[in-house]
Amino acid sequence: AQKITQTQPGMFVQEKEAVTLDCTYDTSDQSYGLFWYKQPSSGEMIFLIYQGSYDEQNATEGRYSLNFQKARKSANLVISASQLGDSAMYFCAMREGWGFGNVLHCGSGTQVIVLP
Amino acid sequence: SQTIHQWPATLVQPVGSPLSLECTVEGTSNPNLYWYRQAAGRGLQLLFYSVGIGQISSEVPQNLSASRPQDRQFILSSKKLLLSDSGFYLCAWEKTGVRGYTFGSGTRLTVV
Repeated sequence: AQKITQTQPGMFVQEKEAVTLDCTYDTSDQSYGLFWYKQPSSGEMIFLIYQGSYDEQNATEGRYSLNFQKARKSANLVISASQLGDSAMYFCAMREGWGFGNVLHCGSGTQVIVLP
Repeated sequence: SQTIHQWPATLVQPVGSPLSLECTVEGTSNPNLYWYRQAAGRGLQLLFYSVGIGQISSEVPQNLSASRPQDRQFILSSKKLLLSDSGFYLCAWEKTGVRGYTFGSGTRLTVV
C-alpha cells in the first residue's frame, strides 16, 4: 500500500491567492514525522515544513502552514498569498520513527503553477 | 554549518557504460546517507541508505550499487547502464534524532 498519497498531480493558482495541497498518509506507527518539500525546476529539494505526530498544534513556517488532521491521516500544505516563485513541484513525505534506516517515504508530488 | 555536495550536475552516458556519482557531506560526522531516484514527473524512490562506513542497505534490487568508503562519502555506481537508469538522482543526509533530511542538488542522468 502507498505510504503517502497526493491526489492532485497539478494545479494552477492565481498570484496572491492561497492554495491547499492535499496529502494523506498510511502508517500504524504512533511516532512519525511529516514533511513537505518544494522542488523547483532546478531540481533541488527544499525543506518547507515539518509536523511531528505528537505535535498538538499545526506547524507554520512563514507563508506555509500544515493542516494536520491525525484521525484522518491527512497533512495538507497551505500556501498563503502565492507568489510567482512558488511555482514548483511539492512533495509530501513521511518518516516512521527515528531509528537507523527509518527512511523517508515520498508522495508522487503536486505541480503548482502560479499565474500572474 | 553542514553542506552536502553532489556531482556531476548533469550526465549523458551511453547504454552499457559505467556510472559513478559522488556525494559528500561537510560539517558533520556519522551522518545517515541516502540515494534517491526520481523518474520524470514522479516522486522519490529510495535506492540505498547507509548508517556507517561500509554499511549499505538496498531498498530496490536493480542495476545499481552503492558504497561508502569514508564517513562522509557516498557513491552510487553501475557497471553497465540501462536506458531505464535515466532519471534525477538525489543524495540526502540526516543526523539521527534530528528531524528532516537535507538533499543535495541532484544529478540529472540521461542514458542514450
